[in-house]
Amino acid sequence: SQQGEEDPQALSIQEGENATMNCSYKTSINNLQWYRQNSGRGLVHLILIRSNEREKHSGRLRVTLDTSKKSSSLLITASRAADTASYFCATVINTGNQFYFGTGTSLTVIP
Amino acid sequence: DTGVSQDPRHKITKRGQNVTFRCDPISEHNRLYWYRQTLGQGPEFLTYFQNEAQLEKSRLLSDRFSAERPKGSFSTLEIQRTEQGDSAMYLCASSPKGRTYNEQFFGPGTRLTVL
Repeated sequence: SQQGEEDPQALSIQEGENATMNCSYKTSINNLQWYRQNSGRGLVHLILIRSNEREKHSGRLRVTLDTSKKSSSLLITASRAADTASYFCATVINTGNQFYFGTGTSLTVIP
Repeated sequence: DTGVSQDPRHKITKRGQNVTFRCDPISEHNRLYWYRQTLGQGPEFLTYFQNEAQLEKSRLLSDRFSAERPKGSFSTLEIQRTEQGDSAMYLCASSPKGRTYNEQFFGPGTRLTVL
C-alpha cells in the first residue's frame, strides 16, 4: 500500500491564482519529494525537502514539512496553464531505497 | 537525448503471454528502479538495482515478475503468463551514485494492455 495521500484529489483554479496541495504520510522519513506528471508521461522531480528542514523554495514553488504531523504542503504561486498536471509526493524512509508515492492531486489551471 | 528511455512505449498482449520491457537509464546513474502505475494512482515500487545487484524487491511483486540488470547498465522487466490485472503503466527511473536518497529521473513509461 502507498505511504502518502495527497489532498485534495483534484483542484481547479484560474490562471494567476495560487494552488496548494497537501501530503500526509505514515512513518518517519529521511526526506520528502514532490513530482509532477503530465498526462500519460513520466514523472519530473520538482523539489526535495529533508526531514530536518521546515520550508524550502524553488522558483514559484514553496514546500513545507511538519514531521510532527507527518504532513507536507506544496504551494504553486501565480499558476499558469502549463502547470496543469498531476502532483505526487514521495517519501523516502530511513531504511532501504524505496520511494513511496502518494495518490496524487490532479491540478487544472484554467487560462 | 540523454534521459531515461524505455522500450516499447506501448504493448498490447493476450492473457497468458510473456512480455519483456527494457529500460536504459542515464549513463552515469548506478541506481535503477521499476514502478507500476495504474490509472488514478501513484507509482508503486516494484524493485531496485544498484549497479547489477537487485537489492530490493516489493513483497507485492508476484513470482511472475522478474527483473535483471546484467551489466549494471540497461535493465529488463519480464512478466510471465500475463493477467488482465497486469495492465498498467510500467515506469523506470534512475538516480546517480554518491548521495543516497537522490531525486529520481523517470522514463516515459511502457503502457501494457492485457486483453
